[in-house]
Amino acid sequence: TQLLEQSPQFLSIQEGENLTVYCNSSSVFSSLQWYRQEPGEGPVLLVTVVTGGEVKKLKRLTFQFGDARKDSSLHITAAQPGDTGLYLCADLGGFKTIFGAGTRLFVKA
Amino acid sequence: EAQVTQNPRYLITVTGKKLTVTCSQNMNHEYMSWYRQDPGLGLRQIYYSMNVEVTDKGDVPEGYKVSRKEKRNFPLILESPSPNQTSLYFCASSRWDRGTTDTQYFGPGTRLTVL
Repeated sequence: TQLLEQSPQFLSIQEGENLTVYCNSSSVFSSLQWYRQEPGEGPVLLVTVVTGGEVKKLKRLTFQFGDARKDSSLHITAAQPGDTGLYLCADLGGFKTIFGAGTRLFVKA
Repeated sequence: EAQVTQNPRYLITVTGKKLTVTCSQNMNHEYMSWYRQDPGLGLRQIYYSMNVEVTDKGDVPEGYKVSRKEKRNFPLILESPSPNQTSLYFCASSRWDRGTTDTQYFGPGTRLTVL
């Protein structure tokens, strides 16, 4: 059974700081997705990456997919309070989706 | 507005009392899925459906049933709820294009407590 490990589990930073969170898989990703979930809501898709070595940018968020397609990172530049939430990585393996436990980010104003 | 709706949003019940959580989507999506979210465990897939009358088990199907009689609806049934089914439940839907799922859209969640 594939396991997705996310680190750190919890991160509390000041507004304006940079941060990186990680997602590591016990097996090669089929298709990696990153989601953000805010309190009281369902997860919302941020990005999908498929190709090893791929880098995608979404405003202040940079997503990197490892060459071997077993790891990924999400870097946030100049974090803002609006970035607060639970960041989840997931693998879309055809019919099934496997999620990591998430990194809970809190950005203080 | 494109959306996935779930009802109820909150439910407190007792062990053994059958319940149904409804899920409906208005995007004509083929694929629908149920997840439960527990602290430290992330989201775990319970059941999914590729289209009407086609369903299959996810990673944690024990104690749950589903049906897909209409494309837009995918109810989750707990025939005899137990306290270990206390959790936050999410329904999701997506297109099913060329054998892969597209962006999954999640409902707002149903917080279930079984006493």
